[in-house]
Amino acid sequence: QVQLQESGPGLVKPSETLSLTCTVSGGSVNGYFWSWIRQPPGKGLEWIGFVYSSGSTNYNPSLQSRVTISIDTSKNQFSLSLTSVTAADTAVYYCARARRDYGDYFFDYWGQGTLVAVSA
Amino acid sequence: QSVLTQPPAVSGAPGQRVTISCTGSSSNIGTGYEVHWYQQLPGRAPQLLIYGNSNRPSGVPDRFSGSKSGTSASLAITGLQAEDEADYYCQSYDNSLGAYVFGAGTKVTVL
Repeated sequence: QVQLQESGPGLVKPSETLSLTCTVSGGSVNGYFWSWIRQPPGKGLEWIGFVYSSGSTNYNPSLQSRVTISIDTSKNQFSLSLTSVTAADTAVYYCARARRDYGDYFFDYWGQGTLVAVSA
Repeated sequence: QSVLTQPPAVSGAPGQRVTISCTGSSSNIGTGYEVHWYQQLPGRAPQLLIYGNSNRPSGVPDRFSGSKSGTSASLAITGLQAEDEADYYCQSYDNSLGAYVFGAGTKVTVL
């Protein structure tokens, strides 16, 4: 059973960089797409982007200028960096595995989520 | 505001059938992109419920079913149970936005 666990600071100051890591256990990161998704308190889900095990990426255009997702296959981890954060970036951040059968990508395994607040 | 429109809330008595709609457009569902559904129990992470419009992952009860037609999709829950109280989200791809998108979510209440 694949398990994902997010880690990182729970509080980030405005204008600084939010950095999170997702550790994958029970399976390898190789051969899959890995994603970050966030959920502001009391609101819906927003896809942030993907990284493939090769390191290739695909970002939500609405966040692309501020986002970097990277992967470390030797550690079975992938990471999120979001620059120049504001209060609007306060959210629960989830890491998830993306998969498709014959059609389009969906998210079949999720981490428990970590709340990141942006505040001075 | 999401490009996939869901009703904010639906409710039903135990044992009843409820449906949740997910209405899109020609840049997402209507183009042929698949719809997937997630269940988010209170205080928990979302879980995959339906993928590829109508497929259930292993372990998901057959009380849950999905369908798609034109620019819309639906999730049906039959034999509603108290444990089904949760938020439900649809997800697809929008080629105008160039992004994977979610509906705003529907809260299911068991009366």
